[in-house]
Amino acid sequence: AQSVTQLGSHVSVSEGALVLLRCNYSSSVPPYLFWYVQYPNQGLQLLLKYTTGATLVKGINGFEAEFKKSETSFHLTKPSAHMSDAAEYFCAVSDNFGNEKLTFGTGTRLTIIP
Amino acid sequence: KAGVTQTPRYLIKTRGQQVTLSCSPISGHRSVSWYQQTPGQGLQFLFEYFSETQRNKGNFPGRFSGRQFSNSRSEMNVSTLELGDSALYLCASTDRPGAGADTQYFGPGTRLTVL
Repeated sequence: AQSVTQLGSHVSVSEGALVLLRCNYSSSVPPYLFWYVQYPNQGLQLLLKYTTGATLVKGINGFEAEFKKSETSFHLTKPSAHMSDAAEYFCAVSDNFGNEKLTFGTGTRLTIIP
Repeated sequence: KAGVTQTPRYLIKTRGQQVTLSCSPISGHRSVSWYQQTPGQGLQFLFEYFSETQRNKGNFPGRFSGRQFSNSRSEMNVSTLELGDSALYLCASTDRPGAGADTQYFGPGTRLTVL
């Protein structure tokens, strides 16, 4: 069974500071990994995904993540936080068995301090 | 293209009632998945439909059911509502089912409150 662990349910950073949201996964097969963002009263929006190929993945809004198989990690980073980044972030994994089921982490709420 | 739409956006029901939620995927998308989001359990997969067939099912009781129509629109039904069914129900669609790596596009959700 696949699983995702997000360390830190709440993260606060100052505006302009580095954002680092942690995600570790467990999977018996090469996983597909995703980061989604959720703003209040909205659905989920894809930030970026890793399937195969380059392990450093760039996404929207200046976010990027690096797939590290040896560490089973897929941490999300952004060099400089903006007030509009305040939201909840979810890491997710799907298998490569051909189904669409996503297994999500518990989420990290990001607060930006002015 | 219009995004995934879900109706209604908000719903209040009482225990024991049943409810039907609707999801219209992005035009051309044939796979629809449903998720339940609660503060305690987080985001949990309910089921996925493709070509009017349920392809995958999460670990939910039989009170939760769904279906998909020939135009790819999907509905989910919850019978005999319990207080614990209060949640945000999210629908997602994708245009290349079976890839596993394809992007799923989420709707805004239906907020169900059970009193």
